[in-house]
Amino acid sequence: GENVEQHPSTLSVQEGDSAVIKCTYSDSASNYFPWYKQELGKGPQLIIDIRSNVGEKKDQRIAVTLNKTAKHFSLHITETQPEDSAVYFCAASHYTGNQFYFGTGTSLTVIP
Amino acid sequence: DTAVSQTPKYLVTQMGNDKSIKCEQNLGHDTMYWYKQDSKKFLKIMFSYNNKELIINETVPNRFSPKSPDKAHLNLHINSLELGDSAVYFCASSEGGRGNQPQHFGDGTRLSIL
Repeated sequence: GENVEQHPSTLSVQEGDSAVIKCTYSDSASNYFPWYKQELGKGPQLIIDIRSNVGEKKDQRIAVTLNKTAKHFSLHITETQPEDSAVYFCAASHYTGNQFYFGTGTSLTVIP
Repeated sequence: DTAVSQTPKYLVTQMGNDKSIKCEQNLGHDTMYWYKQDSKKFLKIMFSYNNKELIINETVPNRFSPKSPDKAHLNLHINSLELGDSAVYFCASSEGGRGNQPQHFGDGTRLSIL
């Protein structure tokens, strides 16, 4: 089965700096990679996703990159703000499957 | 408008009791899920239903029984609650039964066993 590893487990950055979270996956058949943000007391919310037919996707201050050869993908947050503080999860899945395989989460703290 | 709603938000109960958690989605999705999130924030899939049919049943004690009366609802009943059942339980839904569609999560039910 698929195995998704996520690093780092905790990350602290100064407001305005960039944050990068990295994930690796094991199943080369995986082709959908969503990223979720979980705020305290809330459920995970989708913030961006990427499919294997593209290498990069941007949405304002967040971007995701995918390297299919190396089987890793990363979340980049630029110009971080205190409201970016949360736990972030990566996931991988295959369109013929029916479940996500989640990473173990990264707790991001943005220091004002 | 809440897309995926769970009730109750908090559930505190004694060991050995039986309890239920309800979930409803108004997104028109075909597939619904139950996840368990432990104290280390790890998200573990428990069950998945597609159009009221069970499609994922991970290694979960048979004290946990999901029920889907229609495709907009997926409830979770837990018998003989144990201390290790304390966790946050999330319901989610997605369009279609394939793995390449985003999942939309509720805000969770925080279960505490005394």
